[in-house]
Amino acid sequence: GAVVSQHPSWVICKSGTSVKIECRSLDFQATTMFWYRQFPKQSLMLMATSNEGSKATYEQGVEKDKFLINHASLTLSTLTVTSAHPEDSSFYICSARDHLGVVDTGELFFGEGSRLTVL
Amino acid sequence: SQQGEEDPQALSIQEGENATMNCSYKTSINNLQWYRQNSGRGLVHLILIRSNEREKHSGRLRVTLDTSKKSSSLLITASRAADTASYFCATDNYGQNFVFGPGTRLSVLP
Repeated sequence: GAVVSQHPSWVICKSGTSVKIECRSLDFQATTMFWYRQFPKQSLMLMATSNEGSKATYEQGVEKDKFLINHASLTLSTLTVTSAHPEDSSFYICSARDHLGVVDTGELFFGEGSRLTVL
Repeated sequence: SQQGEEDPQALSIQEGENATMNCSYKTSINNLQWYRQNSGRGLVHLILIRSNEREKHSGRLRVTLDTSKKSSSLLITASRAADTASYFCATDNYGQNFVFGPGTRLSVLP
């Protein structure tokens, strides 16, 4: 299957700093990537949909200025948590769809996730 | 907002037994997918069933979809300890977004 690489796998930062998480599709082009947040023993909550070359679409309740998303190329989307605080500590997961030309398999491929701990 | 609801939330069975998880959703969908997540890891795609399909098999997995009841089930036959994980259903809203249910935590005891 297609591979999505997410980096870093885990990061610890001080309160007030910004953290950037990268999501790369390694062997396919992803015009759309999704960013999720997951709290322990809970499901994935969609934060935003990242579209290559355009602004991300944020879900209700997600602060755009807090969680900056950039999708500058067909293989890379980044999530920057700005001025991080302890309540931002969470597991962040990206996913991408493999658009095979005009045929979309529909399957989502996930990165391994990034665990953010804000002290 | 989440639209999928899985039950049970937690399931504990013995190795060799079958495990059944259910998922319900609220709106019309293009397809429904099941994913597996090991603790602290990303999600792995298991199976996709389209809205015009009723049943699908993949190895020890069997998925059903009832669009009239807006529900789906995932059956894992002859479970193994390695099947221990969280299982999520996700509904595809015609490519606009994916919405995940709360998940079922499956424990398979050796």
